[in-house]
Amino acid sequence: EIVMTQSPATLSVSPGERATLSCRASQSISSSLAWYQQKPGQAPSLLIYGASTRATGIPARFSGSGSGTEFTLTISSLQSEDFAVYYCQQYNDWPRAFGQGTKVEIK
Amino acid sequence: EVQLVESGGGLVQPGRSLRLSCAASGFTFDDYAMHWVRQAPGKGLEWVSGISWNSGSIGYADSVKGRFTISRDNAKNSLYLQMNSLRAEDTALYYCAKGGYDSSDWFDPWGQGTLVTVSS
Repeated sequence: EIVMTQSPATLSVSPGERATLSCRASQSISSSLAWYQQKPGQAPSLLIYGASTRATGIPARFSGSGSGTEFTLTISSLQSEDFAVYYCQQYNDWPRAFGQGTKVEIK
Repeated sequence: EVQLVESGGGLVQPGRSLRLSCAASGFTFDDYAMHWVRQAPGKGLEWVSGISWNSGSIGYADSVKGRFTISRDNAKNSLYLQMNSLRAEDTALYYCAKGGYDSSDWFDPWGQGTLVTVSS
């Protein structure tokens, strides 16, 4: 079973600054990694798939990188609507698994 | 427009059963895997179960294995989750999500969820 670990648990960032979120898999998942954003009271929504491909309609300030076991989500210049919880998820193997989430909050 | 609408949640006593449904529209349902994901109050996302387009591949989280059963009816564009022997720790908002196939099984989109509360 693959375990996904995200860090940090909480990231305090000022609007306009860069945010870097990390996700680690307990074994190689190639590029089978997705990132999701969840705002309060809403269902999660897809941001990135294939570790680095932005989903339809996702702004270019969101970028994903990595392969194997180490992955990064970067938000280049945080906007007010980006303050949310972000989850990584592997779909390389069963059972599918999510990380525990990183909350991006306003500094 | 792709739509996923969950139903069947509610208040149930420990040890009892509940069946969740997810009605899908706006895409060719039998081309895609489907998944259930849950979120306990104030907690993160937990993948519960998934089923391939033809029901040939099915997976469960260890926390529900042997108690929950996922199924789909492609003729009705519907996904189901039969939940037996429910426990307090199964209390959560249950989301249905459209997957993909093989190595393209990311979840997009998600329904709005149905709330399951297990309590006496």
